[in-house]
Amino acid sequence: QSVLTQPPSVSGAPGQRVTISCTGSSSNIGAGYDVHWYQQLPGTAPKLLIYGNSNRPSGVPDRFSGSKSGTSASLAITGLQAEDEADYYCQSYDSSLGVFGGGTKLTVL
Amino acid sequence: QVQLQQWGAGLLKPSETLSLTCAVYGGSFSGYYWSWIRQPPGKGLEWIGEINHSGSTNYNPSLKSRVTISVDTSKNQFSLKLSSVTAADTAVYYCARKHIVVVTAIHSVSVWFDPWGQGTLVTVSS
Repeated sequence: QSVLTQPPSVSGAPGQRVTISCTGSSSNIGAGYDVHWYQQLPGTAPKLLIYGNSNRPSGVPDRFSGSKSGTSASLAITGLQAEDEADYYCQSYDSSLGVFGGGTKLTVL
Repeated sequence: QVQLQQWGAGLLKPSETLSLTCAVYGGSFSGYYWSWIRQPPGKGLEWIGEINHSGSTNYNPSLKSRVTISVDTSKNQFSLKLSSVTAADTAVYYCARKHIVVVTAIHSVSVWFDPWGQGTLVTVSS
């Protein structure tokens, strides 16, 4: 059971907007620890998508955005594309440990 | 551009010791903590532990009794050993660089992992 809670799956049609939630607690997200997001394409290592709640590394399209409020965070993907179909993981910090969500599988219909 | 390249045995028998090594190419080795993270088949990610260039380590309490992470600064490499493995340790193991930013004024701590190694599937089976 993961420390951070994500929906197991979300889906959307090409061009649409989808959001993925990440719920934590007062010992991680709510304690002031930032939330980060990773994209994992099938058979590959996770790739950093968003860091520091809302910052995109160089090369990540601005279709991807992140936000944090209270003990939760969200990843939004606009203008959905077929290549966005992947697993997405949120990550924060808790008691000196890196903690992850269980992952959300995004299906592009 | 920092790159992490990892290797190690992919098939173990129960009770054996898992051993993986990760080499860091490009960028600073001494300025960071270096982590191991694993992902059981079809499941989520679990942080195993970390080490810095001085050999200072932190481990996940759930694995602490079986984990040893070591560093070889002469080669810019760090290694993971996990003893007494069982089928539950079957997973893809990743090495990764840890980033940490602390902004005291706004009580913000930011810890993330980037980049990651390519991953090594370790299967434990009799």
